[in-house]
Amino acid sequence: GAGVSQSPSNKVTEKGKDVELRCDPISGHTALYWYRQRLGQGLEFLIYFQGNSAPDKSGLPSDRFSAERTGESVSTLTIQRTQQEDSAVYLCASSRRLAKETQYFGPGTRLLVL
Amino acid sequence: AQTVTQSQPEMSVQEAETVTLSCTYDTSESDYYLFWYKQPPSRQMILVIRQEAYKQQNATENRFSVNFQKAAKSFSLKISDSQLGDAAMYFCAYRSAGGNKLVFGAGTILRVKS
Repeated sequence: GAGVSQSPSNKVTEKGKDVELRCDPISGHTALYWYRQRLGQGLEFLIYFQGNSAPDKSGLPSDRFSAERTGESVSTLTIQRTQQEDSAVYLCASSRRLAKETQYFGPGTRLLVL
Repeated sequence: AQTVTQSQPEMSVQEAETVTLSCTYDTSESDYYLFWYKQPPSRQMILVIRQEAYKQQNATENRFSVNFQKAAKSFSLKISDSQLGDAAMYFCAYRSAGGNKLVFGAGTILRVKS
């Protein structure tokens, strides 16, 4: 079946603008995760959804970051008033359920804030 | 909080040879999962192998195997008969048994020489 998809693949924006990043999980996967990967570094957890609720938002770096999910499908990560330090690859993953299941990743969105 | 350490920023291996990537982690939990993910230049994170902490037997997937030493909190990845397609960034990751987020190491760049 189809894997996790993300759009756009690349996004260039100006400092101070808002951006929206989209994630379409694998069909039937109830859990969805967002991670951030800065250049040359490992992935940092941002937020996870179980269905359309977000029990763990502990990784969101500031109140400029927010995310929502519609049912058990698409999720949107929004960054308001972007800063240059927001430049990174934003990766989305999904899994069948919370525990024990492997997370499958999308190809990411590379965000560059000028 | 759990941490994952990959002490080798970069490794090289000759095609058809064997290479071992190191990973150590810190946790006070007894039940958890460990993963190795591969990230080629396409950015797509691909699961290589997974190990449940309660299993003493080391996981194996074709040319990939792990050496899981629970007492030492060590989880190394061995790649046998290395191929050019194995060249990528490799990430070690940890997840609590009852948790959701993955905690990643900083990654090891693997270069394969022909």
